[in-house]
Amino acid sequence: NAGVTQTPKFQVLKTGQSMTLQCAQDMNHEYMSWYRQDPGMGLRLIHYSVGAGITDQGEVPNGYNVSRSTTEDFPLRLLSAAPSQTSVYFCASSYSYGGAFGYTFGSGTRLTVV
Amino acid sequence: GESVGLHLPTLSVQEGDNSIINCAYSNSASDYFIWYKQESGKGPQFIIDIRSNMDKRQGQRVTVLLNKTVKHLSLQIAATQPGDSAVYFCAELSSNDYKLSFGAGTTVTVRA
Repeated sequence: NAGVTQTPKFQVLKTGQSMTLQCAQDMNHEYMSWYRQDPGMGLRLIHYSVGAGITDQGEVPNGYNVSRSTTEDFPLRLLSAAPSQTSVYFCASSYSYGGAFGYTFGSGTRLTVV
Repeated sequence: GESVGLHLPTLSVQEGDNSIINCAYSNSASDYFIWYKQESGKGPQFIIDIRSNMDKRQGQRVTVLLNKTVKHLSLQIAATQPGDSAVYFCAELSSNDYKLSFGAGTTVTVRA
């Protein structure tokens, strides 16, 4: 049982390049989300999905796209990378049961845009 | 033990002492709260959670207190150990939309 798997772990992009950060979970969780974490700060929500085919914007969605074609996968696309997108990106999935929520986070993707 | 009345970004604690980390949350609609521990180079790890219909919950060496009147959350760690050195985040969620919002973290350093 792998939990939440993020790839790649590290990536360097040039300004203007595009790329996709992959996130997969094997826990059959309905809810998935992407966060970014900048130095010395908490995690900020980029986009989230409450189920396959449904996505919505979080706190900092500009410059990112997502899709959710399956329950398992929730890729994050950077359309035209900018230095301001240098950050550590975390994907999370969650269940909801009886008023409790079980969030599981991936180990992160460290992205540098030069 | 050592405690922080208001949120401070760092906390230094002697090994064996108790630690108290404070957090203020912002959304009155939040009904579920979680404390996470994040070690260097890793994702957040679940420590303990509490629902808004409770004011205290205990785990192994940890206790979370919730004061909804002043929108304040605290995490108490008993007998702090070197392995407790990490950044600790509180997070709030409304069960209406699943969105988890994080507070500013507190870096805990345990002195030997």
